[in-house]
Amino acid sequence: AQSVSQHNHHVILSEAASLELGCNYSYGGTVNLFWYVQYPGQHLQLLLKYFSGDPLVKGIKGFEAEFIKSKFSFNLRKPSVQWSDTAEYFCAVKTSYDKVIFGPGTSLSVIP
Amino acid sequence: DAMVIQNPRYQVTQFGKPVTLSCSQTLNHNVMYWYQQKSSQAPKLLFHYYDKDFNNEADTPDNFQSRRPNTSFCFLDIRSPGLGDAAMYLCATSRDQFYEQYFGPGTRLTVT
Repeated sequence: AQSVSQHNHHVILSEAASLELGCNYSYGGTVNLFWYVQYPGQHLQLLLKYFSGDPLVKGIKGFEAEFIKSKFSFNLRKPSVQWSDTAEYFCAVKTSYDKVIFGPGTSLSVIP
Repeated sequence: DAMVIQNPRYQVTQFGKPVTLSCSQTLNHNVMYWYQQKSSQAPKLLFHYYDKDFNNEADTPDNFQSRRPNTSFCFLDIRSPGLGDAAMYLCATSRDQFYEQYFGPGTRLTVT
């Protein structure tokens, strides 16, 4: 069965620090990849997505993610985080034969 | 703005008393999903509709049912809520199963 793992359950950073959240999936075929964000008290929203083409994708609010097929990874990055980036981040994977599978989530706390 | 609307935002029901949660969308998307999300966990897919075709997840309890009377509306019926069904219930839509999902704000269900 396909699965999605996220490396960290909870990350704490100071403002202006760089961020990298890991995401790995187990599926050898074609995938569509997503990062969703859930700010406190708000609904899940799309941060960025990868379907095909350039493996480095840019999303909203300065986030980017890199798809490395050989490593089955889709890590999320941001060069300088802000307090407003405090949120829950979910990696999600859609394969050809299965539903979208969400990772367990990473809680990011940014300290002013 | 096109959006996904969920009503009510908060629902309190008694143990064993049937409850219905509502979702509507103005995006004219083909696919509508219902997820259950418990605290600090990933959303868990209960079922989805692709147009009128209902797709139930294998591990979704029979206690959970769904109706989609038209493109815009989808309902989640919990026939006999138990204490373990207390959670946030998320509705989402997508243009097609391979595209990103748009989430509603959720309905927080409390079972007393």
